[in-house]
Amino acid sequence: ETGVTQSPTHLIKTRGQQVTLRCSSQSGHNTVSWYQQALGQGPQFIFQYYREEENGRGNFPPRFSGLQFPNYSSELNVNALELDDSALYLCASSLDRVTYEQYFGPGTRLTVT
Amino acid sequence: EDQVTQSPEALRLQEGESSSLNCSYTVSGLRGLFWYRQDPGKGPEFLFTLYSAGEEKEKERLKATLTKKESFLHITAPKPEDSATYLCAVEGSNFGNEKLTFGTGTRLTIIP
Repeated sequence: ETGVTQSPTHLIKTRGQQVTLRCSSQSGHNTVSWYQQALGQGPQFIFQYYREEENGRGNFPPRFSGLQFPNYSSELNVNALELDDSALYLCASSLDRVTYEQYFGPGTRLTVT
Repeated sequence: EDQVTQSPEALRLQEGESSSLNCSYTVSGLRGLFWYRQDPGKGPEFLFTLYSAGEEKEKERLKATLTKKESFLHITAPKPEDSATYLCAVEGSNFGNEKLTFGTGTRLTIIP
């Protein structure tokens, strides 16, 4: 049990809508990363937050945005949903930015119809 | 750009039949190579971190090794509960853009 939780577990949205996914990191972990995992693929890095500031971003458009809060919680927001956004969204927390193990939550399964 | 290639894509073994999974990588300045286990519909579970060539780590029936170009995950006398997808990831030395680059995984099935 990693102590990283995510909500909701499953979500169904319609193309064009907006969605907010939530993550609660392990206490003391000041870094959170978000990943998108399509079926049969490895997780793809979306972005990372360190002490409430974005610390790096993968090849995702600006309609993917995030926030990190002082209480070890964070959000992933996706605007103007597209069918290809259907995936498992994972958050992972770690002690610091560099070369620390990332502990993953169970994920949120997003389906866009 | 960092790249990770895992092989084989899928592997079926009889219970007790040992084997190895391969992870080949290209990275500018390896900070760490990570192995994760993922069960269907769940988040990846951390197994090992390797930092430099020649390093080895063990946990129960699993042993991870690292060279300058690849890593192996050796599974000795596996049991059905070892069935899962095993993911390999690398972190390169891009300061200010620290991230894990994952491979697509090896789906391991252990037949009783």
